[in-house]
Amino acid sequence: DGGITQSPKYLFRKEGQNVTLSCEQNLNHDAMYWYRQDPGQGLRLIYYSQIVNDFQKGDIAEGYSVSREKKESFPLTVTSAQKNPTAFYLCASGPRPGELFFGEGSRLTVL
Amino acid sequence: GQSLEQPSEVTAVEGAIVQINCTYQTSGFYGLSWYQQHDGGAPTFLSYNALDGLEETGRFSSFLSRSDSYGYLLLQELQMKDSASYFCAVRTSGNTPLVFGKGTRLSVIA
Repeated sequence: DGGITQSPKYLFRKEGQNVTLSCEQNLNHDAMYWYRQDPGQGLRLIYYSQIVNDFQKGDIAEGYSVSREKKESFPLTVTSAQKNPTAFYLCASGPRPGELFFGEGSRLTVL
Repeated sequence: GQSLEQPSEVTAVEGAIVQINCTYQTSGFYGLSWYQQHDGGAPTFLSYNALDGLEETGRFSSFLSRSDSYGYLLLQELQMKDSASYFCAVRTSGNTPLVFGKGTRLSVIA
């Protein structure tokens, strides 16, 4: 079945560690996105990519990095520079900007 | 800046109708989307309005008034499974990502 796969679903990190969240899609979408969601909050954009080998910063890119080497893959690295990384991370892709398909999310907790 | 305003919480009775409003102030406007998210789950796309008027999809309808910078999501014949958070999101230009509101938590009670 077509869809977006995020892994891991749950992740624990010690302070000072970098972690990488995986996002893979087989929907053949050009555009992919990373959003962060905090309790009771909306989705805030971290990074997005509209084509392979190109990506742009979103509203809260500081402390995060991404790559887009393949159309299907858009991994997100949460670096030690991100001061408050505990959150629910959502990856999405879409055929059109108004319509996004989301993965099941990755919940990151800093110990 | 961009701002989207929607009520934080709404409670409605099973079988009733509920309307969730969204007003926006954005630098540009191409369309308004709505998403549903159950606790712990992923948001799922419900609707997208680019033009004024009402769009109906089953029990859900979405309305847009561009002149008023306002839209709403209408849920009819409410069911317990409709208890979830609902987000409006604005497409501000042709290629930029959606800007999301903070969401409305809908509780359906018996």
